[in-house]
Amino acid sequence: EDQVTQSPEALRLQEGESSSLNCSYTVSGLRGLFWYRQDPGKGPEFLFTLYSAGEEKEKERLKATLTKKESFLHITAPKPEDSATYLCAVEMARGNKLTFGTGTQLKVEL
Amino acid sequence: KAGVTQTPRYLIKTRGQQVTLSCSPISGHRSVSWYQQTPGQGLQFLFEYFSETQRNKGNFPGRFSGRQFSNSRSEMNVSTLELGDSALYLCASSSAGGESPLHFGNGTRLTVT
Repeated sequence: EDQVTQSPEALRLQEGESSSLNCSYTVSGLRGLFWYRQDPGKGPEFLFTLYSAGEEKEKERLKATLTKKESFLHITAPKPEDSATYLCAVEMARGNKLTFGTGTQLKVEL
Repeated sequence: KAGVTQTPRYLIKTRGQQVTLSCSPISGHRSVSWYQQTPGQGLQFLFEYFSETQRNKGNFPGRFSGRQFSNSRSEMNVSTLELGDSALYLCASSSAGGESPLHFGNGTRLTVT
């Protein structure tokens, strides 16, 4: 069965303290891996799509990387406004539906 | 460009009733997907429509159904509501159904009492 596992479940950082979130997957025929950010009471907001091992994407303080088994979301010098739940999802070759992990709840404190 | 719009934002229903949720995709997007989000299960795929045809379906009972209109707007219906149907229902649209990322609305919060 296709699975997506995110770790840690929750992460508390001080402002400026860099860290990484992990998304590991066991799927066959990966079409793409997606990162989303979700704020309380809102829908997920698209961040990145990664298609092949070795690919990297960056946006402001966020950088996403992909290997054959996992993806990392690196957060450099985070700010309180980066506090949110970060969701990872995979799209398999056999369909357009996304399988989501349960997310990492990030809290950045002053 | 306006985002994905879902109505209503909140709904309270009683067990056994039925409910219809509405979704207006981003202009020009022809693919609409529906997801259920709960604290225990996270986001789970319900179904996807493209050009008025259901292309993919998740593992939900037949009480969950949907449709898409010629203007790409979509509705989702849940019949014979159960307490476990309480969740945030999210609609997402994309321009080409699989070759572009999903853009989500802010959801409809359904509470079944």
